[in-house]
Amino acid sequence: RKEVEQDPGPFNVPEGATVAFNCTYSNSASQSFFWYRQDCRKEPKLLMSVYSSGNEDGRFTAQLNRASQYISLLIRDSKLSDSATYLCVVIRSGGSYIPTFGRGTSLIVHP
Amino acid sequence: DAGVIQSPRHEVTEMGQEVTLRCKPISGHDYLFWYRQTMMRGLELLIYFNNNVPIDDSGMPEDRFSAKMPNASFSTLKIQPSEPRDSAVYFCASSLVGQAYEQYFGPGTRLTVT
Repeated sequence: RKEVEQDPGPFNVPEGATVAFNCTYSNSASQSFFWYRQDCRKEPKLLMSVYSSGNEDGRFTAQLNRASQYISLLIRDSKLSDSATYLCVVIRSGGSYIPTFGRGTSLIVHP
Repeated sequence: DAGVIQSPRHEVTEMGQEVTLRCKPISGHDYLFWYRQTMMRGLELLIYFNNNVPIDDSGMPEDRFSAKMPNASFSTLKIQPSEPRDSAVYFCASSLVGQAYEQYFGPGTRLTVT
């Protein structure tokens, strides 16, 4: 099993839709979690951190489920500009700091 | 701030040649990361430095790859000799201690080895 797994998609949704992605991780010692966004042929950029209690940033909501070892990203009222690949990042606790990126989930928002 | 700077942005070389990729992190950042991204394997961490010292290079694929950070404002990733399977986008990223989890990526170097 890969350390961090994501459904590659693509998720094709109309403007205004609500869409959710999940990301599963295999190492129960994982400590920190993040979502990055990567536009086509661009570098990844931090979208938001994922806190244990869940957190919201505008139209974006991130959740962590430690029992089932997954994180989720919910996007409400999708915009055309949300079209991108969303990468989850998991960081293990203890020892050296090693971030592991998922392969990403592609989102296409159409008019 | 200029952000993380990488050069060259594109590199096309023949198999067997030496390739050197360069990175200038954001001033004041003390973590530096080198990643490789391909369609097949996604984004892979190759090596990272803390205060110019290599901390973990377990992601470096083989001895043909080497990375250095001679000072806080410059790092190189060298491939010698290069092979077609090294073709990928190579990203450099930097971050601040205490905020090591928020990484700022450079624009990447697109390497093609023919």
